[in-house]
Amino acid sequence: NAGVTQTPKFQVLKTGQSMTLQCAQDMNHEYMSWYRQDPGMGLRLIHYSVGAGITDQGEVPNGYNVSRSTTEDFPLRLLSAAPSQTSVYFCASSYGSGANYNEQFFGPGTRLTVL
Amino acid sequence: AQTVTQSQPEMSVQEAETVTLSCTYDTSESDYYLFWYKQPPSRQMILVIRQEAYKQQNATENRFSVNFQKAAKSFSLKISDSQLGDAAMYFCAYRAPYYTGANSKLTFGKGITLSVRP
Repeated sequence: NAGVTQTPKFQVLKTGQSMTLQCAQDMNHEYMSWYRQDPGMGLRLIHYSVGAGITDQGEVPNGYNVSRSTTEDFPLRLLSAAPSQTSVYFCASSYGSGANYNEQFFGPGTRLTVL
Repeated sequence: AQTVTQSQPEMSVQEAETVTLSCTYDTSESDYYLFWYKQPPSRQMILVIRQEAYKQQNATENRFSVNFQKAAKSFSLKISDSQLGDAAMYFCAYRAPYYTGANSKLTFGKGITLSVRP
């Protein structure tokens, strides 16, 4: 299986443009998340989902929208790009529910630059 | 809210030597998971090692081991026999127990850049 895939790998936008970062997983994972990575800040949670049709905000949700219509896909939408959204974006997924540990698998990341 | 602190932004180690990366965290839970992730220049996030808080024994994966001090809320990573391929950014991360409803997400530290001198 392909694991967690993200497209595109690189993207340059102008301020005010909108776009969607794609994320897909083929492991039948319930949980999916979006993080952004900025220098000196680690990874910060943007939005997450515990199953199809269920999403919630993370630590830094402003300026981003998500939806989860299927188990496999979890796209991240930038409504009106701002230079502050220049970052590397990671999608992650894992099995959910129950008390057992479940490893989070990460996609390869998308480097986004907003001019 | 849970916090994860990595206070050292950079460290350096001589090849074949041992290095320890520090991490502290704050939580009110007693049952949780801790992780160390490696991020090489390729940007891929790679799970290095994990520790379940209910286990007293420190986790070990080949040359990687942890020193888990639950009372002190400390979780350090020891890399033995350092290799050039260990050069990367390392992140400490926390995952809440399932009964909190917050086990779908990770809280990360800011990371530490490890360089390995040949």
